[in-house]
Amino acid sequence: SQQGEEDPQALSIQEGENATMNCSYKTSINNLQWYRQNSGRGLVHLILIRSNEREKHSGRLRVTLDTSKKSSSLLITASRAADTASYFCATDAYPSYDKVIFGPGTSLSVIP
Amino acid sequence: DAMVIQNPRYQVTQFGKPVTLSCSQTLNHNVMYWYQQKSSQAPKLLFHYYDKDFNNEADTPDNFQSRRPNTSFCFLDIRSPGLGDAAMYLCATRTGGLFGNQPQHFGDGTRLSIL
Repeated sequence: SQQGEEDPQALSIQEGENATMNCSYKTSINNLQWYRQNSGRGLVHLILIRSNEREKHSGRLRVTLDTSKKSSSLLITASRAADTASYFCATDAYPSYDKVIFGPGTSLSVIP
Repeated sequence: DAMVIQNPRYQVTQFGKPVTLSCSQTLNHNVMYWYQQKSSQAPKLLFHYYDKDFNNEADTPDNFQSRRPNTSFCFLDIRSPGLGDAAMYLCATRTGGLFGNQPQHFGDGTRLSIL
């Protein structure tokens, strides 16, 4: 069963623009993670934010978490063509720390 | 480099013919996962092992089974594949516990086709 939803399902932007993806989830969580998947490949971990954190940065990535709204956003600044991929949020299924469920994902296309 | 390796990358089997997908890891992680991912969809958790403890998802078909003979290896057995089982199968590992604040590491998947 899926834990949440992502918005938008698909996003197309020009190189250099910022891309924002949103994720909502249904139950309490310990952590929320964002992953990236290039076509035909496995998923690659981008960033983890804990339930007691509100914002986290990693390079051109900025993640926010609002536990009151059960939502998170991923911002990619100054996008590049190489950022073209699918992006998924994932949450654990509280109180289980080890069961990880993925949202439906956002397909990002960055046009050179 | 330490990694998660899935073999083969592409697997073709016949309708109803049992097939086994394999996953190995050199990360020494105690948790291993199997996900099924269909085109343009999210990975769907089938089961996971915490050490040797097997955790099956309620909606995982009975047709799917798994074995973990040791820390490094995990297998996905599909006893009688149907056309609906054609998908990418992803293996992932993770250090368990630690309040779940460790990332998963994924293999590149096995794409299963059913003839």
